[in-house]
Amino acid sequence: AQSVSQHNHHVILSEAASLELGCNYSYGGTVNLFWYVQYPGQHLQLLLKYFSGDPLVKGIKGFEAEFIKSKFSFNLRKPSVQWSDTAEYFCAVGNTNAGKSTFGDGTTLTVKP
Amino acid sequence: DAGITQSPRYKITETGRQVTLMCHQTWSHSYMFWYRQDLGHGLRLIYYSAAADITDKGEVPDGYVVSRSKTENFPLTLESATRSQTSVYFCASRGDTQYFGPGTRLTVL
Repeated sequence: AQSVSQHNHHVILSEAASLELGCNYSYGGTVNLFWYVQYPGQHLQLLLKYFSGDPLVKGIKGFEAEFIKSKFSFNLRKPSVQWSDTAEYFCAVGNTNAGKSTFGDGTTLTVKP
Repeated sequence: DAGITQSPRYKITETGRQVTLMCHQTWSHSYMFWYRQDLGHGLRLIYYSAAADITDKGEVPDGYVVSRSKTENFPLTLESATRSQTSVYFCASRGDTQYFGPGTRLTVL
């Protein structure tokens, strides 16, 4: 069975600070990896995804993530956060065959203006 | 408009009542999913469906029933609602990734 662990439950940063949110997964096969964002009161939206190829993936709004297979990690980064990045962030791992994804518990990011 | 919709967006019901949450997608995606979102638990998969007339249990299926007679619809029924089912429910469908609906906030009194 696949599982996802997000280490930070709540992160508080000031604007312009750098961000790194940790995500580790457990799965023995080929995986698809995702980061989703949920702004307050809204539904989940895809930030970025990794299926194969370059392990450094760039997404929307200046976010990027690096897939490190040896560490089973897919950490999300942003060099300079903005107040509008305040949201909840979910890492997810998907089985390429089963179609379903397993989500981490989420990390709440609060950016202080 | 293409997309995934859920209805109702807000629902208040009483313990023991039957409630059905609707989900409709316009992409003809094969896979559809129901999640519940609760503080401290993230997203938990209730049921999913690989195609019309094919459904399977997720992580927390107890107390829920689903059906999928048409590809575009995937209703979720709480046969006898309990307070522990107070939650925000998200429907999703999968193309190259999962696309989520706007959610239904359900309160069971």
